[in-house]
Amino acid sequence: QSALTQPPSASGSPGQSVTISCTGTSSDVGGYNYVSWYQQHPGKAPKLMIYEVSKRPSGVPDRFSGSKSGNTASLTVSGLQTEDEAYYYCNSYAGTNNFGVFGGGTKLTVL
Amino acid sequence: QLQLQESGPGLVKPSETLSLTCTVSGGSISTNIYYWGWIRQPPGKGLEWIGTISYSGSIYYNPSLKSRVTISVDTSKNQFSLKVNSVTAADTAVYYCTRVWHSDPSWLDPWGQGILVTVSS
Repeated sequence: QSALTQPPSASGSPGQSVTISCTGTSSDVGGYNYVSWYQQHPGKAPKLMIYEVSKRPSGVPDRFSGSKSGNTASLTVSGLQTEDEAYYYCNSYAGTNNFGVFGGGTKLTVL
Repeated sequence: QLQLQESGPGLVKPSETLSLTCTVSGGSISTNIYYWGWIRQPPGKGLEWIGTISYSGSIYYNPSLKSRVTISVDTSKNQFSLKVNSVTAADTAVYYCTRVWHSDPSWLDPWGQGILVTVSS
């Protein structure tokens, strides 16, 4: 089981937009529309931000959006705010023998 | 509001068994809509899915951990549990329990606060 590939870091200035990629294979990201994204601040539990590739749970700002093309999913944060600075992890379903595979995480810095 | 809370020893000796329990409050664990999962995060590293269980006992394990992991559910106590056998320092991590939506197994919400388990003699 290989982790999904995410860039280790990303950055942007307040008000700007940033996109984080998550690359897998046809057995996970490319094979199912079950990709989610999690935000994790230091010392805290992860928080669900996006599910089913592009859906936002209640309470998540619409500045956060998700998409997928082939084996790569993406999370876009628009109108960056200082509180968006955190680690972001993608997660994909990969079949009944492999319910979940995570990306290695991306540290988003708001400059 | 559903809440999950992990409990168990924070220190386990090498080669022994790590045992954790997740207590679910504010809702019933006996539901066909949700499963229940364990995730871990070694210090300074990323997240790793350990396994997922339904209240009826269907279990799905991470293939890389399957030989050492057992997940079970106790509906009478509204709890589910994790056991990891033959632990080594590599099993040192914050362990989280979470709710899993059966329609999208990547959907994990909410999460417990996490419990740090250190493997050391």
